[in-house]
Amino acid sequence: DTAVSQTPKYLVTQMGNDKSIKCEQNLGHDTMYWYKQDSKKFLKIMFSYNNKELIINETVPNRFSPKSPDKAHLNLHINSLELGDSAVYFCASSQKGSAFFGQGTRLTVV
Amino acid sequence: GNSVTQMEGPVTLSEEAFLTINCTYTATGYPSLFWYVQYPGEGLQLLLKATKADDKGSNKGFEATYRKETTSFHLEKGSVQVSDSAVYFCALRGDTNAGKSTFGDGTTLTVKP
Repeated sequence: DTAVSQTPKYLVTQMGNDKSIKCEQNLGHDTMYWYKQDSKKFLKIMFSYNNKELIINETVPNRFSPKSPDKAHLNLHINSLELGDSAVYFCASSQKGSAFFGQGTRLTVV
Repeated sequence: GNSVTQMEGPVTLSEEAFLTINCTYTATGYPSLFWYVQYPGEGLQLLLKATKADDKGSNKGFEATYRKETTSFHLEKGSVQVSDSAVYFCALRGDTNAGKSTFGDGTTLTVKP
C-alpha cells in the first residue's frame, strides 16, 4: 500500500491554464505539506496543514491554493500557470517526526 | 530562524570509497535531525534520524551522530555502492515549531563502478 500518493505523476500544460494536483495519505497523520523542488533539486516548503487547518504559507503566490477536505487529503490548485511554475511538486505527511513523501508530480508549463 | 547548511555537491566517488557529507544546523531549543535520500525519479525517503544530542542514527550502512557542541550531523558510510547514487538531504525539525521541517539544499552523490 502506498503511504502517500499523489496524482498525476506528470502534467504538461500551457501557460495560463488552471490545474490541480491531488494528494492522499493513509498513515493517519495529522500534518500534510506541499513542497516545490526546482531543477537544482532545492526543496522549498509551500504549505502545511494540520488537521485540515492551514498552519504554514511560505509566501507562495496566491495563484496557488491548497485545499484539505479532510486530514487524509491535501490538494493543490494552481491558477494561471506560468513558465516559472515548472518544477516537481511533492506532497508529504508527518506525525511528530519524520516526513513521508509522495512520488512527486512533474509539472511542465509550455 | 532555523537553517541547515550541507556540503555542496556534486560528489563523485568510486565504489567502496568512504563517504562523508557534512551538515551543520542553526536552531533554537532541541531539534530532531534527519537525513533523507532521493533516488532518481522518486520522492524523498527517510534514511536515518536522531532526536537528541549524542544519538547516532544508522541505516543501510549509513551513520550520523547528533553533535550539539558543533551543531553538526554529518553523514558517513564506510564503503559506498553504485546503488547509493542519489541526492541526500539533511533536515531538522524544531521542537518549537512542530509542523515544519527545514531542509538543506541537497548533495548529489554519484558512485562509479
